[in-house]
Amino acid sequence: DAMVIQNPRYQVTQFGKPVTLSCSQTLNHNVMYWYQQKSSQAPKLLFHYYDKDFNNEADTPDNFQSRRPNTSFCFLDIRSPGLGDAAMYLCATSRELGTDTQYFGPGTRLTVL
Amino acid sequence: RKEVEQDPGPFNVPEGATVAFNCTYSNSASQSFFWYRQDCRKEPKLLMSVYSSGNEDGRFTAQLNRASQYISLLIRDSKLSDSATYLCVSGDYGGATNKLIFGTGTLLAVQP
Repeated sequence: DAMVIQNPRYQVTQFGKPVTLSCSQTLNHNVMYWYQQKSSQAPKLLFHYYDKDFNNEADTPDNFQSRRPNTSFCFLDIRSPGLGDAAMYLCATSRELGTDTQYFGPGTRLTVL
Repeated sequence: RKEVEQDPGPFNVPEGATVAFNCTYSNSASQSFFWYRQDCRKEPKLLMSVYSSGNEDGRFTAQLNRASQYISLLIRDSKLSDSATYLCVSGDYGGATNKLIFGTGTLLAVQP
């Protein structure tokens, strides 16, 4: 059974058109993360939530926002996607911060036209 | 300098071969280390954690050398199904930082 679910798996949007990616988890984990992975590059952490506490990475552009309305769901909003935002977006969860294993969802591949 | 550096490969090896990957990390305060496996266009999956004493899981052996800030992964008796990208990862925790830092990965192609 899938534990970290991402929808949609593939998303096509137009330059500048807002888009929302969804992540849900059945693990009841406290922490949810969003990573961006561009082709042939390492996954890069954008931000994470510990429960309702939001933690933004210093170099995450303002164009990227996130919402976590409850424990199970977390959303990534890209307000004005640029061509450079085309990437795989990976959601991950962990029970706690620190050394707890992170479980990744299958990712959403975003194409910007 | 990248925080976690790996040889991107590809490593092309025949079935049954032994192959070793190396990785270096720049932050001496990093507290934990992992190897993740990522298949093409799929999500990363934890392969194993890496401990100073070294640890083994079947055909896979991981080692950490804190003095040299160096991590290794050894795969014995390679299988076709081992073909994937192997990501070296450090965990940085504490203060305002709490995240995994990934290397760009080493591509392994096991040939029949």
